[in-house]
Parts: sequence; structure tokens; C-alpha cells
Amino acid sequence: DTGVSQDPRHKITKRGQNVTFRCDPISEHNRLYWYRQTLGQGPEFLTYFQNEAQLEKSRLLSDRFSAERPKGSFSTLEIQRTEQGDSAMYLCASSLGGLTEAFFGQGTRLTVV
Amino acid sequence: GEDVEQSLFLSVREGDSSVINCTYTDSSSTYLYWYKQEPGAGLQLLTYIFSNMDMKQDQRLTVLLNKKDKHLSLRIADTQTGDSAIYFCAETSNNNAGNMLTFGGGTRLMVKP
Repeated sequence: DTGVSQDPRHKITKRGQNVTFRCDPISEHNRLYWYRQTLGQGPEFLTYFQNEAQLEKSRLLSDRFSAERPKGSFSTLEIQRTEQGDSAMYLCASSLGGLTEAFFGQGTRLTVV
Repeated sequence: GEDVEQSLFLSVREGDSSVINCTYTDSSSTYLYWYKQEPGAGLQLLTYIFSNMDMKQDQRLTVLLNKKDKHLSLRIADTQTGDSAIYFCAETSNNNAGNMLTFGGGTRLMVKP
């Protein structure tokens, strides 16, 4: 296992378009988290899954943001009708249960033009 | 809500020790973490400390925790140019949804040869 994998690494999109990012966690990890990091800031929590269940989504930034983890393995984060303010690095992390080490992927850098 | 604060910048000479400081507000914090982020990359977990510990040492890294003052520090001995990066302090607790991490804004460490 090579760790948490995110795809794509970079995405440039026009304002108003929809984008989808994928995260493949470490295989035995049951928890998967999405964070957003804007320039010069620390990561900000968005949502998390325990297996296939999305247990916290109140921190998603707007109803344009949604995430899925249909089979409890990989996850997708979708942003509909992108805005320039959505430009950021989107980070995925996974862990085995809570209160243990969370391992992060390399992130997907989104630029909305 | 929870808050984690770090100084923005630290510059040291190669071979010196670096000390990066962090303060947090959540008295129920259970685990405190240090992550390293190099340019354009994801976050690398360096070390973590459980809240009932005062100190943890791992090779060149020493973490000190003052729970009374809610102050965490990371000391890097014999700092090398490869240590130049942004260092993030983060905390979690059982009060955090899914044990998600709350991050500080990061401290940029510059190591001069």
C-alpha cells in the first residue's frame, strides 16, 4: 500500500463548471476525511466517513459541496457550479478508527478561472 | 469553537535547534499532532503526543506539552536545510466530530546554510 492517493493532483476549471475529486485511502482504514486548505492557512475540516456512512457533513461549505463513499473504500468530493472562492487545495486523510494517526494524501489543487 | 494558534515564521541557521510553538484553547484536547508540509505537497505526520504526557522524543524531534497553559512546542535538533517547510500543529478530542483535526495556521521554517 502506497498510502492515501488523490486524483487528479491539479484541476483547472471555468467558473460554473462541476468538478469531482477522488480519494483512495489506505486499504484497512475505515475513516476517511476531507479537508480544504486555502493559501497561507491550515487545513479546514469538511466532512468524514466511517466506512460508507457520512457521519458529519455540517461543515461542508455550501450545498454545492457533496461527498460520497459508496462501498466504504474510495471517496469522491464533488463541487457543483464552481466559484473562484472554491480555489484551494483539497486534502483527503484516512485513519483506523478515531484518535489515531491520520495520514494525508498529496491533495488536489483546484483553480477556478 | 476550538482555536489553534502558531507564529507565522521562524528562521534558523543549519545545525542550530528550532523551536516551533503552538497554543490551543480546547481543554478537552486528547491528542496533539505536528505535521510537516513541503511546497505543493500534502501533510506528513511527524509526531503526536497524548494529552496525559509532558514530553515525547523521537530522534531529532522533541515535543513538549504544558497542559495547564495549553502550550505545545516542537523542537528540532541539528536543523537541516531539508527541514525547511511549513509546520502545522493540530489537536483533536472526543468532542470533535469524528475526531477530526483542528489545525493552526502553520509556521514557516526557513533554514539558512
